[in-house]
Amino acid sequence: SQTIHQWPATLVQPVGSPLSLECTVEGTSNPNLYWYRQAAGRGLQLLFYSVGIGQISSEVPQNLSASRPQDRQFILSSKKLLLSDSGFYLCAWSSGRTEAFFGQGTRLTVV
Amino acid sequence: QKEVEQDPGPLSVPEGAIVSLNCTYSNSAFQYFMWYRQYSRKGPELLMYTYSSGNKEDGRFTAQVDKSSKYISLFIRDSQPSDSATYLCAMSSYNFNKFYFGSGTKLNVKP
Repeated sequence: SQTIHQWPATLVQPVGSPLSLECTVEGTSNPNLYWYRQAAGRGLQLLFYSVGIGQISSEVPQNLSASRPQDRQFILSSKKLLLSDSGFYLCAWSSGRTEAFFGQGTRLTVV
Repeated sequence: QKEVEQDPGPLSVPEGAIVSLNCTYSNSAFQYFMWYRQYSRKGPELLMYTYSSGNKEDGRFTAQVDKSSKYISLFIRDSQPSDSATYLCAMSSYNFNKFYFGSGTKLNVKP
């Protein structure tokens, strides 16, 4: 069966510090991968999605970037965090023919 | 206009009630429809997945899609306190590259 791992679960970072969130998927190959952000009490905002290694589509211009160095690895990064980057970050995968499955999320607080 | 509209609630019902959750959408290209349940501080988990118009039943849950009205519903029968969560609708077109989410409806089932 397929599983998705996302870490860390919580993170507190100072303004201006770098960020790296990692997501890996097991039990499937060539998945579509997604990064979403969820503000408190709000819906999911798609940040990036990838349909293959090295292929990244950005949905929202912002202080973040994404990379896919391996088939089942998706990384969300920032060089300098802003207060507005605080939120709940969710990684998801899809086979490209079915629904999306989510990781447990990372709660990021920028202080 | 948002692609997907969902009443944020909160919706409060007594235990045992029938719950109706709804979403409307504007893009006629959407073919696949999903409902997710999200507990506080957790990632969304898939509840139901349907293709095109019609009904699908799974235990206490029934999903309905009316493509002519661009309207989808999730019914929960015999609601339980453990059903208290935020429910997100989601949809995708045939290529599954992107998923469009509603903002979520917060449900509280009172014992």
